[in-house]
Amino acid sequence: DAKTTQPPSMDCAEGRAANLPCNHSTISGNEYVYWYRQIHSQGPQYIIHGLKNNETNEMASLIITEDRKSSTLILPHATLRDTAVYYCIALGHGANSKLTFGKGITLSVRP
Amino acid sequence: DGGITQSPKYLFRKEGQNVTLSCEQNLNHDAMYWYRQDPGQGLRLIYYSQIVNDFQKGDIAEGYSVSREKKESFPLTVTSAQKNPTAFYLCASKVDGSGANVLTFGAGSRLTVL
Repeated sequence: DAKTTQPPSMDCAEGRAANLPCNHSTISGNEYVYWYRQIHSQGPQYIIHGLKNNETNEMASLIITEDRKSSTLILPHATLRDTAVYYCIALGHGANSKLTFGKGITLSVRP
Repeated sequence: DGGITQSPKYLFRKEGQNVTLSCEQNLNHDAMYWYRQDPGQGLRLIYYSQIVNDFQKGDIAEGYSVSREKKESFPLTVTSAQKNPTAFYLCASKVDGSGANVLTFGAGSRLTVL
């Protein structure tokens, strides 16, 4: 599984877009980029995943660079409830792929 | 509503005692997972099961045991052999073991050893 690197923390103002970066320079061709988030003392929540095309759902957008070495999760209009730890994971599919979580990036949304 | 139920939410135990954490899902998912989280850390995989009556060790299985006798249930036993069991334990499931890694998590069980 490719190693991912995220800054430890960032903040943004409520109502503004939050752009969370992730580096995965060793990602292989069959590995997807996944994003989860964990609000304090709760279980993680799946947000979005993608292979090489940009993806959007009701929660966020995922922008993957053309060389796939980095990606950005975008929360278009951050709210206070988006304050959480966000995990970026690079992982293939299949029976041998096991999801593991690093320390993630702590996003603080300020009023 | 479909989901994962973990119980108890909080648990205290004395050193030397075994304790079993319950995890039940009604999502009809084949695969189930147990993770451990320590303060300020990420999640580490303890055990996982891709199908009934089968399970594999994760990265930190020592001192833990599991069973998967029913599709909907995947209990975790923290044994006295686990040297530092105080942690937040999370159970998760996904549709099948080979598909996309979209996991549904329970709310967690917080174990404190006194």
